[in-house]
Formats: sequence, C-alpha cells, structure tokens
Amino acid sequence: DAKTTQPNSMESNEEEPVHLPCNHSTISGTDYIHWYRQLPSQGPEYVIHGLTSNVNNRMASLAIAEDRKSSTLILHRATLRDAAVYYCILRVNRDDKIIFGKGTRLHILP
Amino acid sequence: SAVISQKPSRDICQRGTSLTIQCQVDSQVTMMFWYRQQPGQSLTLIATANQGSEATYESGFVIDKFPISRPNLTFSTLTVSNMSPEDSSIYLCSVEDPVAYEQYFGPGTRLTVT
Repeated sequence: DAKTTQPNSMESNEEEPVHLPCNHSTISGTDYIHWYRQLPSQGPEYVIHGLTSNVNNRMASLAIAEDRKSSTLILHRATLRDAAVYYCILRVNRDDKIIFGKGTRLHILP
Repeated sequence: SAVISQKPSRDICQRGTSLTIQCQVDSQVTMMFWYRQQPGQSLTLIATANQGSEATYESGFVIDKFPISRPNLTFSTLTVSNMSPEDSSIYLCSVEDPVAYEQYFGPGTRLTVT
C-alpha cells in the first residue's frame, strides 16, 4: 500500500488559515490524494480529493506539488468546529479500500 | 451523499458473548466496509462486504471472529463473536459512492466488553 506521512499534531488560531501537510513520496501516477477528517465522537467525513491539479470545494482547498510527492490541505479560515483528526490517504481507483494512517490532530485555539 | 445508521449505538457486553451490529444505508450501494477504532487509535479496516459475494477480510481478521452478512444493497451486519475485553472498540461501517469517489461513514457502535 502506498504510504503517507503527516505531522502528529498541529495548532492554529481561530479565523486564521491552516495548512496541513502530507508527504507521499512513493505515490504512483494513478494514485488519487484524498483527505478525510474525523470530528470528536463522529465517523470520518470526506473533505476533498485530487489527482494532479489543485482542487477547491466549500470545505477546503487541496494544493498538490508539481512532482506529486506532497500535498497540502488548506482550511482558509479555521473555526473551532474544524478541530479534528485529518487523514491524508492515497487511493488507486474507485474500488480501492481506504487505509487510514495516524493522521494529524488539529487543535484550534480561540 | 448517503446517510448511514448503525444499531446499537453503544453496548456493554460480557466476555464470551457475541454482539451483532447492524448497518443501514438510505440508498443502494455495492461496496460496504467495516472498520474498528480502538481507543485513541486510527481506524483499522476489518473487511469489505460486497452484495452477492463473501466478505473479504484484512490481515489479522478472520470470519469466525467477525462474521459479516450482506443480504441486500442497503444493509449489512457485523458480528463480534466470543468477545474479550480487547474487542472493546468503536465499530464503524462505511459505503463507497463510486461516482463521487467518496466514502460515507456511519456514526459508529461503541462496544465495551467486561
């Protein structure tokens, strides 16, 4: 399975942007980069995914390095409700199972 | 998106007994997954359950311990058999939306084995 590396934890101030990094140096050409997050006492929820180009949706932006060996999830204006564990995951195709790593625990300071 | 419900939401069970967890989806889906999340840990995939075929188990998980049923496209069950305190975890089901390329997760079943 392709692997990702994320910092164990990060802190950010409320109402400021947050950049969550992910390294995936062994990524193959067909691997999609997915991000999920798990709020306290809830199941994980999908955040965003991309292949090569940067992606934006209502929740976040995904910036993918040109060599695809790293990516950054960007929360443009963090709120207290964004405090969660964020998982960066590589998926080969639409039938591929999701293997969760340890993720990054994001703390938001009021 | 899909809405997933799980029953029970939590339970406390005695060692040696079995518990069956139900997962209900509000739309028809082909692929369903069962995960375990031990206290303070990340999620671990137990098995993939596709309708009409036997579940596929991940390394470290066996059918005798975690039998799975998938009788139709909206429902699945996971049984935790002959429980021990080490089985105390949150058990979650999820479904894949292959068009959106997203997975949706249920709220989880919190199991405590005494």
